[in-house]
Amino acid sequence: SQTIHQWPATLVQPVGSPLSLECTVEGTSNPNLYWYRQAAGRGLQLLFYSVGIGQISSEVPQNLSASRPQDRQFILSSKKLLLSDSGFYLCAWHPDGDTEAFFGQGTRLTVV
Amino acid sequence: GIQVEQSPPDLILQEGANSTLRCNFSDSVNNLQWFHQNPWGQLINLFYIPSGTKQNGRLSATTVATERYSLLYISSSQTTDSGVYFCAVGSNYQLIWGAGTKLIIKP
Repeated sequence: SQTIHQWPATLVQPVGSPLSLECTVEGTSNPNLYWYRQAAGRGLQLLFYSVGIGQISSEVPQNLSASRPQDRQFILSSKKLLLSDSGFYLCAWHPDGDTEAFFGQGTRLTVV
Repeated sequence: GIQVEQSPPDLILQEGANSTLRCNFSDSVNNLQWFHQNPWGQLINLFYIPSGTKQNGRLSATTVATERYSLLYISSSQTTDSGVYFCAVGSNYQLIWGAGTKLIIKP
């Protein structure tokens, strides 16, 4: 069966520091991978998605970037964090838009 | 783009009560899912239900695709049912999310 791993679970970073969140998927090949952000008490906002190695689509212009160096690895990065980057970040995968999506356990990021 | 609206935004019930959560969407879709986000933030898949009716224990869901809505039923609520329930619909490669229904079950 397919599983999705996301780490770290929690992270406290100072303003201006870099960020790297990693997501990996097991049990499938060439998955569509997604990064979402959830502000406190709100719905999910799609940040990036990738349909293959090196292919990244950005939904919201911002301080963040994403990369897909390997088929089952999706990385969310920032060179300099802002206070507004605080939130709950979730990685997800699903074969395409018409099939069931599965989520990692999330990373709670606090920028101080 | 597709709009997804959930109602009610908040719901407070006593343990043992039944509830119905609604999800309306503005265009035809091939994918609709219900999720439960627990207090620790984890998103738990409840139903993948682009059409028809499914049941899983005390939970059931119905999607009427032609009328663009889906309903999630929770019967005999337990305190562990508390959390936020999201509806999400598929559009191309994306999931479009509703704002969620925050459910609080009081003992």
